[in-house]
Amino acid sequence: GENVEQHPSTLSVQEGDSAVIKCTYSDSASNYFPWYKQELGKGPQLIIDIRSNVGEKKDQRIAVTLNKTAKHFSLHITETQPEDSAVYFCAATGANSKLTFGKGITLSVRP
Amino acid sequence: NAGVTQTPKFQVLKTGQSMTLQCAQDMNHEYMSWYRQDPGMGLRLIHYSVGAGITDQGEVPNGYNVSRSTTEDFPLRLLSAAPSQTSVYFCASSYSGRVWHEQYFGPGTRLTVT
Repeated sequence: GENVEQHPSTLSVQEGDSAVIKCTYSDSASNYFPWYKQELGKGPQLIIDIRSNVGEKKDQRIAVTLNKTAKHFSLHITETQPEDSAVYFCAATGANSKLTFGKGITLSVRP
Repeated sequence: NAGVTQTPKFQVLKTGQSMTLQCAQDMNHEYMSWYRQDPGMGLRLIHYSVGAGITDQGEVPNGYNVSRSTTEDFPLRLLSAAPSQTSVYFCASSYSGRVWHEQYFGPGTRLTVT
């Protein structure tokens, strides 16, 4: 089955700086790669996703890049703000109707 | 739309007790799933359903049962609770499980088994 690795487990940045979170996956058949943000006490919420036929996708301050050859994808947050502080999960899935999540990274944005 | 709702929000069980975690969605989504979230372990898939009457096992199905008699509801049953099932449980739904779309998560149920 799919294995998704997410490193590091914590990341601290200064407000206004950029943050990059990387994930690797194992199943070359995976074709959908979402990123979820989880705020304290709440369920995860999708912030951006990318499919395997696209190399990059942007939405305002966030972007995701996908390298299928190396089997890794990254979340880029520019001009970080304190409200970006949360746990971020990457995930990957292929054709088996199962979405596999990474273990999550806690992002802290220092004011 | 209420989205995905889960009840109860909190529950304490004794070892060996049984209970059902309720999940409902009002978006007419085909796909529904249950995850458990444990510290340092991320979200792990317990069971999922691609439509009414169809369920399948995820990564950690032991000790849990599910059924999907309607499109809207997807209850998770703990048959004989164990301390290892102490966790936060999330239900999620998505338009389809054949072509992936956004999964909408409920607010979660925090379960403690003593």
